Amino acid sequence: GAGVSQTPSNKVTEKGKYVELRCDPISGHTALYWYRQSLGQGPEFLIYFQGTGAADDSGLPNDRFFAVRPEGSVSTLKIQRTERGDSAVYLCASSLRFGEKLFFGSGTQLSVL
Amino acid sequence: AQRVTQPEKLLSVFKGAPVELKCNYSYSGSPELFWYVQYSRQRLQLLLRHISRESIKGFTADLNKGETSFHLKKPFAQEEDSAMYYCALTVSGNTPLVFGKGTRLSVIA
Repeated sequence: GAGVSQTPSNKVTEKGKYVELRCDPISGHTALYWYRQSLGQGPEFLIYFQGTGAADDSGLPNDRFFAVRPEGSVSTLKIQRTERGDSAVYLCASSLRFGEKLFFGSGTQLSVL
Repeated sequence: AQRVTQPEKLLSVFKGAPVELKCNYSYSGSPELFWYVQYSRQRLQLLLRHISRESIKGFTADLNKGETSFHLKKPFAQEEDSAMYYCALTVSGNTPLVFGKGTRLSVIA
């Protein structure tokens, strides 16, 4: 079966532009998580969804970051007015239920020039 | 706030030597601790969790609440163990995982 799929695998954009990163979780997984990983750091929590609702968005760094999961499956992380400091690998993970084993995607490498 | 500290960025050992990857955490309640691993060109994946008390690929980790540690150990390192290892913590499964910065293990033949 397919694992967690993230697209695109690489995204290069210019400072100030808007980007969308997509995550397709494992079918049937109710919990979906977004993490950000900067060079030399561990994954840093951004937001997680239980079904369609954002259960905890305390990790979003500011209001330029927003995420949705309208049908309880695919999720999109949206970043407005990108800044060079947003450059990182954005990881998505899903689990059958919250608190259970996380399955990670391969990540999207975002580069803001 | 919960915090996970992995003091070593890089650990190099010879094949067949014992390995210990250190992890300390700060939280006074009942944490659940995990080790995740990322092999070259692969995804981050769960290696083991303390509540299952199992040995995976020869690795074990014991939660020491007195020392607030969850060190990962293996008696005899193999070349295929070379990877990035991340220690992670959740509070009784009610909070998202908090990860440490990771330790790169390099096993030298």
